[in-house]
This record gives sequence, C-alpha cells and structure tokens, in this order.
Amino acid sequence: SQQGEEDPQALSIQEGENATMNCSYKTSINNLQWYRQNSGRGLVHLILIRSNEREKHSGRLRVTLDTSKKSSSLLITASRAADTASYFCATDPYSGAGSYQLTFGKGTKLSVIP
Amino acid sequence: NAGVTQTPKFQVLKTGQSMTLQCAQDMNHEYMSWYRQDPGMGLRLIHYSVGAGITDQGEVPNGYNVSRSTTEDFPLRLLSAAPSQTSVYFCASRARRETQYFGPGTRLLVL
Repeated sequence: SQQGEEDPQALSIQEGENATMNCSYKTSINNLQWYRQNSGRGLVHLILIRSNEREKHSGRLRVTLDTSKKSSSLLITASRAADTASYFCATDPYSGAGSYQLTFGKGTKLSVIP
Repeated sequence: NAGVTQTPKFQVLKTGQSMTLQCAQDMNHEYMSWYRQDPGMGLRLIHYSVGAGITDQGEVPNGYNVSRSTTEDFPLRLLSAAPSQTSVYFCASRARRETQYFGPGTRLLVL
C-alpha cells in the first residue's frame, strides 16, 4: 500500500504563477522526500525534510512539514515551463514501524503553460 | 561517483523468457531497492535489501527474485517473463534515514 498520497492529481497553471502540491501520510516518519520526474525520465531528488523540521527551502522550492497533521506541501514559486513534470512525495518510516523502505504516492502531474 | 547505474536501458522479451536487470551503486549505501512504475500507479516496491546478504519482499514481489552478495550490486531476476511485467524498473539506493538516489531506469516490454 502507498503511504504518501499527493493532492491534487493534476495541476495546470500559467508560467509565473505559484504551484502548490500536498502530501498526506499515515504513520510516523523519520523524513519525507520530494522528487520530480520529467516525462519518460528518472526521478530527481528535490528536498528531504526531517521529522523535526517544519520548513525547508531550495531555490524556488519551499517544503513544509506538519507532523501533527501528517502532511507536507511543496510550493514552487514563479513557475517555468521547464517545471512541467510529475512530483512525488516519499515517506521514510520511523524505524519502530517495522519498515525500512520509502513508499511513494501516485504523484501530482504539473503542467506549466507558457 | 557514477551514482546508481542500471543496465540494460531497454529490453524486449518473449513470454516465458528469463533475464536479469543489473543495478550497481558506488556510494557504499546499505539500502537498495527495486521499484516498478506503471501508468497511473506511481512507484511500487518489488524487493529491497538493507545490507549484503539481507533481502526482503516489497509490495509486488511475485515473479521476481533478488540477491545481494556485495554492497554495490543488487540484480533483479525475472524468472519467467509475463506481459504483466511490462513496465519501467527503477533501482535505488540510500544510506539509512538519508536521501534516496535512483538509477535511470530500464524499460521492459514483454510480448
């Protein structure tokens, strides 16, 4: 079963707008990771946020984590056509949960219209 | 560092054939995993390993075998290929509680 669930499934915006994607999960985690996948390509790691962190930035990316709500969000500011891709969250479960592997959601497909 | 490498990039098999997908990493990571990605299904875990000599099943292990004799290598074997195994396969590695790195993927078509 998939731990992380992204929302929305698809998002279409104009170039220059901000894009927000959300991820919800079910069990305690060590960290949460966001990935980007361009069509037909592999997964590229974007940001890792640990369970004791609330917010993290990398360039135009901002990730927040709310462990009380078991949710995370990825904000892409001033979007570009090159940001068109699928975005996945992956949860690294707390070791006490008996699992050692990242589990992925089905992703959010972002389309940025020039 | 080459990171995570996978071979082949693309493979066509006939139903019933067997093959091995190769995966190697040069980052001395303990954890390695195999995922398959199908349209609309996200990534599903096939098998994983937490160290040399230690493997375990993931969400969709049927029809696949793995072994891990060294830290660097984690091959995935298809025992008797079926059309349902047509997919894109990704190998990944990471250190415990750290970023997971993916290989470029292998596209497999089973006729």
